[in-house]
Parts: sequence; C-alpha cells; structure tokens
Amino acid sequence: AQSVSQHNHHVILSEAASLELGCNYSYGGTVNLFWYVQYPGQHLQLLLKYFSGDPLVKGIKGFEAEFIKSKFSFNLRKPSVQWSDTAEYFCAVNPVNNAGNMLTFGGGTRLMVKP
Amino acid sequence: NAGVTQTPKFQVLKTGQSMTLQCAQDMNHEYMSWYRQDPGMGLRLIHYSVGAGITDQGEVPNGYNVSRSTTEDFPLRLLSAAPSQTSVYFCASSNPGLYPGEQYFGPGTRLTVT
Repeated sequence: AQSVSQHNHHVILSEAASLELGCNYSYGGTVNLFWYVQYPGQHLQLLLKYFSGDPLVKGIKGFEAEFIKSKFSFNLRKPSVQWSDTAEYFCAVNPVNNAGNMLTFGGGTRLMVKP
Repeated sequence: NAGVTQTPKFQVLKTGQSMTLQCAQDMNHEYMSWYRQDPGMGLRLIHYSVGAGITDQGEVPNGYNVSRSTTEDFPLRLLSAAPSQTSVYFCASSNPGLYPGEQYFGPGTRLTVT
C-alpha cells in the first residue's frame, strides 16, 4: 500500500518569508499528485495537481510544486508567504488506475504566518 | 451548484448511539467517498463508491456502514458510536476521466462521542 509523508508538522513563518513544505510518497507505480489546503474553519480545497508533463506545476495564490520522480517527492513552494496563507496543507497521492480515484493523504503541515 | 453538502455540521453522541451522516452532491459525479480527519494523521479513507449500488471499504472501515442508492447521496452510518470515532468527517466526490483523483470536498461534520 502507498504512504505519504509530510516531514514538517508545524511551520511558523513571518510574512514575506519563503516557504517549502516537504512531501514524499512510497509507491512503485505511476501516481497523480496533489496539494490540498484547508483554511481555518473551511473544507479542503485543491491547491495544485500534477498528472504528467512539466514536473514544475503552478497552482492558485502563487504556490508551485515540483515533482522529482527519482526522489519520490512533490514539495510545495511559495516565494513570499502572506498572513492569509495560514492554513493546513495536505499532500495526497492517487495511484494511476486506482479504483474510485481514492487519495492517500499525508499527515498535514500546519502553517502559521505571523503578520 | 451547491457542490458537496454535508449535514449535520456538528454532532455529539453518547457511546453506543447510532446516527447517519448525510452527504449529497449535485455535480453528477460517479465517485463518492468518506474520509475521517484526525490530528497528525491527515485524512484516512473510510468507504467509497464508484457508482450507485457499488461500495467498497477503505483504510478504516470498521464501525461504519455505507450505501449508495442514488448518484447524488452517500450516507455514512455509525452503528454503535465509540469515543475512537470522535473526528471530523469529510465527504468527497469526483469523476473518472481527465483528472482522476481530483476530489471535491464537503464542509465536514465534526463528531464528538462521549
């Protein structure tokens, strides 16, 4: 079975700092990769996704992620965070041809941005 | 489009009680699923359905039942609530095709079992 690891459980940054959140997965086959975000009191929203092609993908609100196949990683980055980026971030994996589009999630990283 | 809706938003149960968490979607999605969210563990799949009349177990199915009689609805039943089922429950829907795995989530139900 696949698993997803997010190494940073809590991150605290000041506004304008750069962000990188780590995500590694274990699965031998081809995967689709996602980052979801959960703002305080809200439901999960898709931040960005990778299916194929350019391993550097751009999402909403200035976020981007890079898929490095050799490292089984899909790290999330943002050059300059804002207070409104305070949220919990989840990396998720969907094995290609997986029945039902099911996702395996990492444990989440709680980001707090200080104004 | 309401998207994915869940009721109730909050619920408190006593140990041994049963209840049904409701989930509905109006996007005509084939796939629906239930996840539970616990601190530090991300979301874990409870049950999922790939179409009306078809359901299957996920990673943590024990203590939960589901059925899918229509495309729109996918209720989750707790048969005999236990404190270990205290969690936030999310329903999600998606379609096969161009972007498999891209799921749309409901607002969640926060359940406390005392």
